[in-house]
Amino acid sequence: QVQLVQSGAEVKKPGASVKVSCKASGYTFTGYYMHWVRQAPGQGLEWMGWINPNSGGTNYAQKFQGRVTMTRDTSISTAYMELSRLRSDDTAVYYCARDIVVVVAATLEGYNWFDPWGQGTLVTVSS
Amino acid sequence: DIQMTQSPSSLSASVGDRVTITCRASQSISSYLNWYQQKPGKAPKLLIYAASSLQSGVPSRFSGSGSGTDFTLTISSLQPEDFATYYCQQSYSTPPGFTFGPGTKVDIK
Repeated sequence: QVQLVQSGAEVKKPGASVKVSCKASGYTFTGYYMHWVRQAPGQGLEWMGWINPNSGGTNYAQKFQGRVTMTRDTSISTAYMELSRLRSDDTAVYYCARDIVVVVAATLEGYNWFDPWGQGTLVTVSS
Repeated sequence: DIQMTQSPSSLSASVGDRVTITCRASQSISSYLNWYQQKPGKAPKLLIYAASSLQSGVPSRFSGSGSGTDFTLTISSLQPEDFATYYCQQSYSTPPGFTFGPGTKVDIK
């Protein structure tokens, strides 16, 4: 079955960097974009960006540009999200999620959604 | 940028109740709207995509409707396992990206 398994919880100091991994199984890793979404404690969902595992191309939300780097290793079907210059308000659960896109042939409209999601990785930023 | 709002932010309901959650976009997003369910300590789970298509394996008591700026998620008969937070998500415009609504928490009356 399709599964995304993320790395374990991290505790970092302000100013440091964190790198979270997301290992995919049950499907062709290079065939689907991968998104990263985060959720601060008690808050909603915030989209961070995506990576195309085939080309390595990325698209980051403006809020995170300059601080986030998304990479992948196709040999082990794993995507990575690295966030630098961490602040206390970066404390959150970070999720990876596979992109699904369906194009309607008649209109060439493409519909995207996220399925499945990884189990989440808690990143705590504290001095 | 497209902003997403949801109402109500929370609601209390009983098992068997019909529950309706509304999501509104700040501009037309056609049918580029998804719904997710999230239980405490768990990752979100896809319920509805493209405004009204039920994800495989999701119970038929869940349904979605709407287009343009106004969308609705309906649970026809609330079950104990449905107590959770529900998020809408637009996939129309990137940038700004796949923005989510603020969520609606459904708890037990």
